[in-house]
Amino acid sequence: GQNIDQPTEMTATEGAIVQINCTYQTSGFNGLFWYQQHAGEAPTFLSYNVLDGLEEKGRFSSFLSRSKGYSYLLLKELQMKDSASYLCAVRGGDYKLSFGAGTTVTVRA
Amino acid sequence: IAGITQAPTSQILAAGRRMTLRCTQDMRHNAMYWYRQDLGLGLRLIHYSNTAGTTGKGEVPDGYSVSRANTDDFPLTLASAVPSQTSVYFCASSDEAGGPETQYFGPGTRLLVL
Repeated sequence: GQNIDQPTEMTATEGAIVQINCTYQTSGFNGLFWYQQHAGEAPTFLSYNVLDGLEEKGRFSSFLSRSKGYSYLLLKELQMKDSASYLCAVRGGDYKLSFGAGTTVTVRA
Repeated sequence: IAGITQAPTSQILAAGRRMTLRCTQDMRHNAMYWYRQDLGLGLRLIHYSNTAGTTGKGEVPDGYSVSRANTDDFPLTLASAVPSQTSVYFCASSDEAGGPETQYFGPGTRLLVL
């Protein structure tokens, strides 16, 4: 089975940094994805990690440690439009995605 | 059409009725997926298709069926709807089932079964 854990909610101030952690226990591993989902909308792709280390893409970075079953998504210079749910998803040995329940980030002025 | 479209956008359905949710993509992606999203549970895979003519069961397939007659379309059918099938349904596609390609999601169908 697959088990993916991430915090339910986080709140941060505009311009600050927020780190969303994700831990996983899966049957096999073929990559970890982060998606952003605004309320009432579809998830959209943010980042992909398959090797250990940090992937940076503008204000967003994602880190992976396969030996620890751990990833984080780092959001820098937070903007109001970053208020959304962030979904951690792991592609297991069967190449299917398993999703965490999502972390709702609220950015306050 | 650009990307993935789903129809209807939302639907209220009486329990026991049959319903087909439609999904069409124009990206010529081989793999397509159906998920349901419920509060606190995240996205769960219902059925998938790695290529036209083939389908497979996901994590929560009971009460649902799919078909993949061609590359573009992947309809999801609820044979006899029950209130527990109230959810938001997302269709997704990817170029390869096992490659680095990410999945692209449609806008979703909000279904209420009474």
